[in-house]
Amino acid sequence: AQSVTQLDSQVPVFEEAPVELRCNYSSSVSVYLFWYVQYPNQGLQLLLKYLSGSTLVKGINGFEAEFNKSQTSFHLRKPSVHISDTAEYFCAVSPTTSGTYKYIFGTGTRLKVLA
Amino acid sequence: GAVVSQHPSWVICKSGTSVKIECRSLDFQATTMFWYRQFPKQSLMLMATSNEGSKATYEQGVEKDKFLINHASLTLSTLTVTSAHPEDSSFYICSARDRGRGQDTQYFGPGTRLTVL
Repeated sequence: AQSVTQLDSQVPVFEEAPVELRCNYSSSVSVYLFWYVQYPNQGLQLLLKYLSGSTLVKGINGFEAEFNKSQTSFHLRKPSVHISDTAEYFCAVSPTTSGTYKYIFGTGTRLKVLA
Repeated sequence: GAVVSQHPSWVICKSGTSVKIECRSLDFQATTMFWYRQFPKQSLMLMATSNEGSKATYEQGVEKDKFLINHASLTLSTLTVTSAHPEDSSFYICSARDRGRGQDTQYFGPGTRLTVL
């Protein structure tokens, strides 16, 4: 079985400051890792994903994440946030053997960017 | 990017009635769609995998007679909550798998908020 932990339910940060949203996972099998963003009244949108290869993954909107296998983490970072980054962010994993992406989501982190 | 719509976006119903939620892929064909449920301040929980032309595959603990899924076409899957009760009140989200255009990506709908009185 797999589980995903997002320890921070809310993260306030000032505009143009850096931010890191934490994600840790537990799994007995190898997994793919994902970060999704959800803006108000919209569906989840894929920010980035790690399938294989380089452990540093770059996504849309200037976000990046680093897969750390030893620490079972996949933290999301952005060097300088904008007001428009205010949203809910979900980390997810999917077993590599599932045949399709069968997501297990974390509880989400609400990023609030302050002016 | 690809778009997935859900209808209705919110619904309020009386206890004991049935509610149907539609999930449509607007610009691609989806042989596989997924239904999730999200309680307040909790993560999305996969309820079932909907496959076009065949029976849905339900996750452990999800009552298939309670949550009827029909994937009648390559662009439409429906979730019917039968004999709804207040504990069924939740946020229901679908996703559709796009395997065309050289990719394998799931696109999520905006969700449907169900309130059962």
